[in-house]
Amino acid sequence: DAMVIQNPRYQVTQFGKPVTLSCSQTLNHNVMYWYQQKSSQAPKLLFHYYDKDFNNEADTPDNFQSRRPNTSFCFLDIRSPGLGDAAMYLCATSFTRDNTDTQYFGPGTRLTVL
Amino acid sequence: GQQLNQSPQSMFIQEGEDVSMNCTSSSIFNTWLWYKQEPGEGPVLLIALYKAGELTSNGRLTAQFGITRKDSFLNISASIPSDVGIYFCAGHQWFGNEKLTFGTGTRLTIIP
Repeated sequence: DAMVIQNPRYQVTQFGKPVTLSCSQTLNHNVMYWYQQKSSQAPKLLFHYYDKDFNNEADTPDNFQSRRPNTSFCFLDIRSPGLGDAAMYLCATSFTRDNTDTQYFGPGTRLTVL
Repeated sequence: GQQLNQSPQSMFIQEGEDVSMNCTSSSIFNTWLWYKQEPGEGPVLLIALYKAGELTSNGRLTAQFGITRKDSFLNISASIPSDVGIYFCAGHQWFGNEKLTFGTGTRLTIIP
């Protein structure tokens, strides 16, 4: 009954080596979000897709990119990971962008940068 | 950006005790959500509140949307070991966009 699926759950990469994290959803939701969460902090929104429309947060570094090839899948690409990018990356979905619509989170991918 | 102030930051309680935590803001919020996050997992929605004054229960959990739209509380009755985790409040601003603002989190530890 998994609704928001993230792969891999744990990812180790080297400093500067590009990495891609994956998210898929079985809810047929229109909106998919990517959050970064560092230890003991609240999730921080990086960007979201409303259907194919990409919306970047103003303070998201250029090092972070995203792709949404279809409704079900969304990818987070980190072009040149730095030590400061080590974090939990959370994918979330919602049916619309209406602020009464709940966001459902995936289990997250924990990224380690060596 | 807008911050949600959540308190307490951490709680150490004995199994069986009741728990109370709250979230406050200087701005009006249209929705209040309470999530629980366990180590190594994503946040899981516990309760969603959509109307000022709304009081909603989910098992041993009860949450209320403050009348002023600037606060919310979450109560857990008769705590059990599996209640351990970090509890986040979150909300959408009244005239804001789809962005969900998160509180700073309350870390709950249960002492057997």
